[in-house]
Amino acid sequence: EADIYQTPRYLVIGTGKKITLECSQTMGHDKMYWYQQDPGMELHLIHYSYGVNSTEKGDLSSESTVSRIRTEHFPLTLESARPSHTSQYLCASILRDTQYFGPGTRLTVL
Amino acid sequence: GDSVTQMEGPVTLSEEAFLTINCTYTATGYPSLFWYVQYPGEGLQLLLKATKADDKGSNKGFEATYRKETTSFHLEKGSVQVSDSAVYFCALSGDSGYSTLTFGKGTMLLVSP
Repeated sequence: EADIYQTPRYLVIGTGKKITLECSQTMGHDKMYWYQQDPGMELHLIHYSYGVNSTEKGDLSSESTVSRIRTEHFPLTLESARPSHTSQYLCASILRDTQYFGPGTRLTVL
Repeated sequence: GDSVTQMEGPVTLSEEAFLTINCTYTATGYPSLFWYVQYPGEGLQLLLKATKADDKGSNKGFEATYRKETTSFHLEKGSVQVSDSAVYFCALSGDSGYSTLTFGKGTMLLVSP
């Protein structure tokens, strides 16, 4: 089993603020992923990484950006949050062929 | 491209009823298949998986069999409990080497006492 940590769990902010959602894992997994989950429950892959200095955009276009400077850390940043960014954000890493998910960050932008 | 179709919910059952949630997929090659469960306010948890045709994944009384001939991976449980109320996602991981998951849209299960 993989332990994936996400902070904060809940975040309410005003429009225009810059935010960073943190995701970390201590298992040394190379591959990590960010998903956006809309209120209708559907999951969309927005970013993924195969290792340090590797980042790729996912299936859903997102205004967020990610970085992978260390293996264990995969933060997601929104430079200027908008109400349309209100969603749940889920981070995952992969062990063998199975993705394991963090608890998620529920973001509300007012 | 790869896709997963699962039955729309909510599925509403009484405790001890039999559960089936249908899942079919479209993929090239030989994908691995997964069921994830999401309890309210939480992230996704792996429920079970199968990596090749005719494999049966099982966990916590839930089962699903990888049927390549019908491209299906239906989730079943013989007797549901109130605590099984959650959203269930069917997913596949293609054999492209990128290990990304393609999810279905999720099926909400509501079990009443």
